[in-house]
Amino acid sequence: DGGITQSPKYLFRKEGQNVTLSCEQNLNHDAMYWYRQDPGQGLRLIYYSQIVNDFQKGDIAEGYSVSREKKESFPLTVTSAQKNPTAFYLCASSIGGGFKTQYFGPGTRLLVL
Amino acid sequence: EDKVVQSPLSLVVHEGDTVTLNCSYEVTNFRSLLWYKQEKKAPTFLFMLTSSGIEKKSGRLSSILDKKELFSILNITATQTGDSAIYLCAVEASAGGTSYGKLTFGQGTILTVHP
Repeated sequence: DGGITQSPKYLFRKEGQNVTLSCEQNLNHDAMYWYRQDPGQGLRLIYYSQIVNDFQKGDIAEGYSVSREKKESFPLTVTSAQKNPTAFYLCASSIGGGFKTQYFGPGTRLLVL
Repeated sequence: EDKVVQSPLSLVVHEGDTVTLNCSYEVTNFRSLLWYKQEKKAPTFLFMLTSSGIEKKSGRLSSILDKKELFSILNITATQTGDSAIYLCAVEASAGGTSYGKLTFGQGTILTVHP
C-alpha cells in the first residue's frame, strides 16, 4: 500500500529532552512537509523539503530541526529549545514542490510530562 | 477530483482600499478551509474556517465560509503596501487509505498594493 506513515502515534517528552518524530513515504514524492496543529488552529508550517539534502524553514521553525538524507524520510526533532511542544504534528508529501496537493500522514501527538 | 479555484488571479489597488478575495471549492469529505499569505518562500498561515457564517478576524483581515455555496472570502480593509503578497486558499479533506488527509491549494491571488 502506498502512503505516508508517522511514528509513534503518541510521544511523551520530559523537560529538557530532545525527541524525534518519524515520517516515511513510499509515494515517490519529491517534497515533504512538517506541520504543527494546535487546538482550534489550522496547520502551521515548521519545515519543508523540496528535494533530498535540502530543506527550508517555515513559519515556526524555532526549536525544531529536520534532515532529508533520503527521499522517503523526513524526520523532525523537537529540541529542548521548543518551549511549548505539546501539539499534534502532521507530516505531508507532494509530487512536486510549490505547495501543490499534499497528502498527510496519520500524525503524532506529542505531550510534555 | 478535488478542486479549489480562487479569483481574481491578480489585483492591483492603492493603499487604503478594501479588497475581497474569493475562494470556491469542490471537495469530497470537507474538513476545513485555510487561508495563507505567501510573500517569499513558504505560505504563512492566516485563518482556518470550519463552520459556516462565523467570521474570523485578525486586525484588518477577516474571513468567512459558506459551506452551502462552497466558497470563502478573505477581506482586507485599509490595505497597506505590506499586504502585497500571494494569498492562497487551501481546503483540507479527509482521504481514504493510509493518508490522514489531503490539502489542496488554489492557484492564489496576487495582490499588489501601491502607495
